[in-house]
Amino acid sequence: GQNIDQPTEMTATEGAIVQINCTYQTSGFNGLFWYQQHAGEAPTFLSYNVLDGLEEKGRFSSFLSRSKGYSYLLLKELQMKDSASYLCAVITSGTYKYIFGTGTRLKVLA
Amino acid sequence: EPEVTQTPSHQVTQMGQEVILRCVPISNHLYFYWYRQILGQKVEFLVSFYNNEISEKSEIFDDQFSVERPDGSNFTLKIRSTKLEDSAMYFCASSEARGGGRSYNEQFFGPGTRLTVL
Repeated sequence: GQNIDQPTEMTATEGAIVQINCTYQTSGFNGLFWYQQHAGEAPTFLSYNVLDGLEEKGRFSSFLSRSKGYSYLLLKELQMKDSASYLCAVITSGTYKYIFGTGTRLKVLA
Repeated sequence: EPEVTQTPSHQVTQMGQEVILRCVPISNHLYFYWYRQILGQKVEFLVSFYNNEISEKSEIFDDQFSVERPDGSNFTLKIRSTKLEDSAMYFCASSEARGGGRSYNEQFFGPGTRLTVL
């Protein structure tokens, strides 16, 4: 079966660093996306990993280990506007379906 | 900046009625998708569409669902006989290419249509 696990909720303080983990067991792997979704809005793209290692993009970085079926999203210098859900999504190989995790709701406190 | 648009933003319908949700993907994109998100739950893939035919569909996308690209710009999702459990936010997305592998292709999501079935 297809399974993507993320913590349900996390809380962090403005200015801090937070790491959101994602583990996956899917029928094949052809890439992993991280999306941000504010309540009532559409997901917006943050990052993409297909090779092992770290991808950095401003305050956001994403890491992938394919052998461990593991990724994390790192958010630095947290701002109040970063309060949102963060969705991990895997593209399975063969069918190219996008499988989403349940998302991690991040609350940034002043 | 080009964006995916969806209409209506909110649709209320009676159980058993047919609804058509409309999307205008980004103009140079070739792959189109529908997802749904039941309130408080995860985003679920419904269907992908390329070259005027369905590429892939999930178990959710049963005979009551259909998709169409009636002209060069619109992409529609039809639900033939709505059920209470079809109440959800429906997102359309588009991408330049299929995605995956070294040449990723980001999916751009529309703002969604909130469907309420009474």
